[in-house]
Amino acid sequence: QLHLQESGPGLVKPSETLSLTCTVSGGSISRSSYYWGWNRQPPGKGLEWLGSIYYSGNVYQNPSLKSRVTISVDTSKNQFSLKLNSVTAEDTAVYYCATEVTVTGGRDHWGQGTLVTVSS
Amino acid sequence: QSVLTQPPSVSGAPGQRVTISCTGSSSNFGSGYSVQWYQQLPGVAPKLLIFGNGSRPSGVPDRFSGSKFGTSASLAISGLQADDEADYLCQSYDNRLNSVIFGGGTKLSVL
Repeated sequence: QLHLQESGPGLVKPSETLSLTCTVSGGSISRSSYYWGWNRQPPGKGLEWLGSIYYSGNVYQNPSLKSRVTISVDTSKNQFSLKLNSVTAEDTAVYYCATEVTVTGGRDHWGQGTLVTVSS
Repeated sequence: QSVLTQPPSVSGAPGQRVTISCTGSSSNFGSGYSVQWYQQLPGVAPKLLIFGNGSRPSGVPDRFSGSKFGTSASLAISGLQADDEADYLCQSYDNRLNSVIFGGGTKLSVL
C-alpha cells in the first residue's frame, strides 16, 4: 500500500517561495502506472489542482498558476516536490500530494496534508 | 466560483437514499471526461469513492454509486449511515481551462 507524506515549512513570508516535498513509501515512484500530483485547499474552501508529474519528468500544470509553480521528481529519493514562488496570503492552504492513474482521472492515494500559512 | 456546480448541502435520515448532483458543461463532461467523487471528513484528506463515472475502488461499499449523463453527474448514497456525514466533491478535467477541476463540495447531513 502506497503511503505519501508531505513535508516542508508551515510558515512562509509573503513574496518568498513555498517549498514542499512528498515522500513516497510502499512502492517505487518510477511505477509507470502513476502520475504524482499536488493539490491544495484554502481554509473553508474547495480543492484546487496545482500540477502533476510523471517519473520521466513530464509535467502538467494548472495554467492559472503555471508561471509560479515548479514540480520536480527525484526517483533516487522516491520523492517529488513543489515550489510556488511569489506567495501571498491567498496561497495559505492545506497542501496535499496524491497519486493519479491518469492526470484527468481519480486521485487514489493522498498524503495527510500540510498547512502552509503565508504571513510576515 | 467552481466550474463544476454542486449544491452546498443535502440531508437525509438514516437508511434513506440521497443523491448529490454535479453540473458541468460542454468543455468537461460534455467532452467525454470522466467524473470522480471524493468523501472528505473534517481535517482529513479526501478519499476516492468513485472513478471513471461509476467504478468503485476496492473497499468502497456498493452503497455508493455514480453516474454521468450529458453535462451532469450524480453520486447516490443508499442506506445512509451516521458516519456518511461528510463533504462530497466531484472532479473532472476541462479542456477549455486545460486543467483538472473540482466542484465546490456538498455537505451531507444525516438527520
